[in-house]
Amino acid sequence: DAGITQSPRHKVTETGTPVTLRCHQTENHRYMYWYRQDPGHGLRLIHYSYGVKDTDKGEVSDGYSVSRSKTEDFLLTLESATSSQTSVYFCAAGGEINNEQFFGPGTRLTVL
Amino acid sequence: DQQVKQNSPSLSVQEGRISILNCDYTNSMFDYFLWYKKYPAEGPTFLISISSIKDKNEDGRFTVFLNKSAKHLSLHIVPSQPGDSAVYFCAASARGGGNKLTFGTGTQLKVEL
Repeated sequence: DAGITQSPRHKVTETGTPVTLRCHQTENHRYMYWYRQDPGHGLRLIHYSYGVKDTDKGEVSDGYSVSRSKTEDFLLTLESATSSQTSVYFCAAGGEINNEQFFGPGTRLTVL
Repeated sequence: DQQVKQNSPSLSVQEGRISILNCDYTNSMFDYFLWYKKYPAEGPTFLISISSIKDKNEDGRFTVFLNKSAKHLSLHIVPSQPGDSAVYFCAASARGGGNKLTFGTGTQLKVEL
C-alpha cells in the first residue's frame, strides 16, 4: 500500500459545514491525488499535486480545495459540504514510474 | 464524456475458467493503460499495465491485450480463483497529461465455486 493512510476513515456531517480530509504518505512521492468514487462513475480525479505547494484541478474540482504544505501530507477541504459530495474519497500517491499510483484505504463521507 | 468505458458492470465466472474483462477508450492521446483491482472497503491496488507500444503484457495468471486500432483492451485471468472476486478498474494516461489517470466505471467480477 506504499504507506498511504487517510483520516478520518468515516465521517458524517451536515450540509453547509466545512470538512477536511487528510492523506499521509511515507514514501516521499512527489505526486499525490484525490479521487472520489461514485456508483456508475468509477474513480474521478478531484485535484492533484505535483510538489509542495503545487496543485492543479482535476475533472470534478468544483466545491473542493486542496493544500500541500509538506511532501507527506495532502489535504482535501470541502468548504461548505453539500449532499452531492456524499461519496467515498480516495487519496493516491506516485505515478512517477509507469504511471502506477498507490491508493489509500478511502474515507466514506456522508453529508446529511 | 466517458473517455474510458467498461460496458459490463458485472461478470460471473466459474472457478478455473477464464475471466475476460473489457475496456474501451476514445482518447487517441492515451498511451499507457493500467488495471486496478478493488476489494470492498479497501483502496484499489495495481494489477498490471501495458504501454501503447506493445499489444500484450503477461504477469502470471493475468494478461492484458491492447488493440490500438479498435481502442480496446482486455484483461484475461486464467485460471480464475475465488480470491479474484473484486471490482476491476481500467485506467489510462495520456501523452503530455502528466501522471494523471482516467478511470473506467469498473466491472464487478464474481468467481463462483
